[in-house]
Amino acid sequence: GQNIDQPTEMTATEGAIVQINCTYQTSGFNGLFWYQQHAGEAPTFLSYNVLDGLEEKGRFSSFLSRSKGYSYLLLKELQMKDSASYLCAVRDSNYQLIWGAGTKLIIKP
Amino acid sequence: IAGITQAPTSQILAAGRRMTLRCTQDMRHNAMYWYRQDLGLGLRLIHYSNTAGTTGKGEVPDGYSVSRANTDDFPLTLASAVPSQTSVYFCASSGSHEATDTQYFGPGTRLTVL
Repeated sequence: GQNIDQPTEMTATEGAIVQINCTYQTSGFNGLFWYQQHAGEAPTFLSYNVLDGLEEKGRFSSFLSRSKGYSYLLLKELQMKDSASYLCAVRDSNYQLIWGAGTKLIIKP
Repeated sequence: IAGITQAPTSQILAAGRRMTLRCTQDMRHNAMYWYRQDLGLGLRLIHYSNTAGTTGKGEVPDGYSVSRANTDDFPLTLASAVPSQTSVYFCASSGSHEATDTQYFGPGTRLTVL
C-alpha cells in the first residue's frame, strides 16, 4: 500500500527553527509537495521537490532524498502566523497526489 | 471570481437526501479534483477530471458522482447521503493532471449528514 508518515503535532518557540519530517512509500514517484493549512482554511502550496537536495524559498526550505523516501520542511525565524498544519504529499506513478495526515505546528511566544 | 469558489460553505443534510456541491474555477485549468478531509486522515481523492468531458475515480469514489460539462465547473453529487459522508470537501484545480503543476484549492464545504 501507499503510505505517507508525518508527526502528528510539534511545538516550537517564536523566532526559532523547526524541521518537519515526512517519510513515504508510494508506487512510483513524480514529485513531493508541501502545503500549509491554517485551521478552517484551504491548503496553500509551499514547495515542490522532484530532485534530491534542498530547495530554499525565503524562511522556508524543503529537502528531498528519493533513495531514503524522505523529505523535510524547515521553517526558520518562526512567527506566530506559522501556526498551522503542514501537509506532505507525493505524486505517484498515476500522477495522483497521496497525502499525509499533516503535522500541526504550535508556535509559543 | 478569482481562483476557485465552492458552494455552499457549509450544509447540514438529512441522511438519504441528495446533495450537489458546486465548484467553479476561472483559471482555465484543465484538471480538477474533489477531496475529502477527515480528522486524523490525509486528504483523500474522490474523483478527478483531466479535462472537460472526462472524469476518473480516485481513492474513495463510492457514493459520489461527478460531471465535467465545461472547463470551469466540476460539481460533486451525493445521490443518497449517509453519516459517513460527514466531512470537509475541497475542490482543487491544476493546469494539467500529468505535469508538475501545483494544485490550487477552493475554500471548502463543511458537510454534516445526520
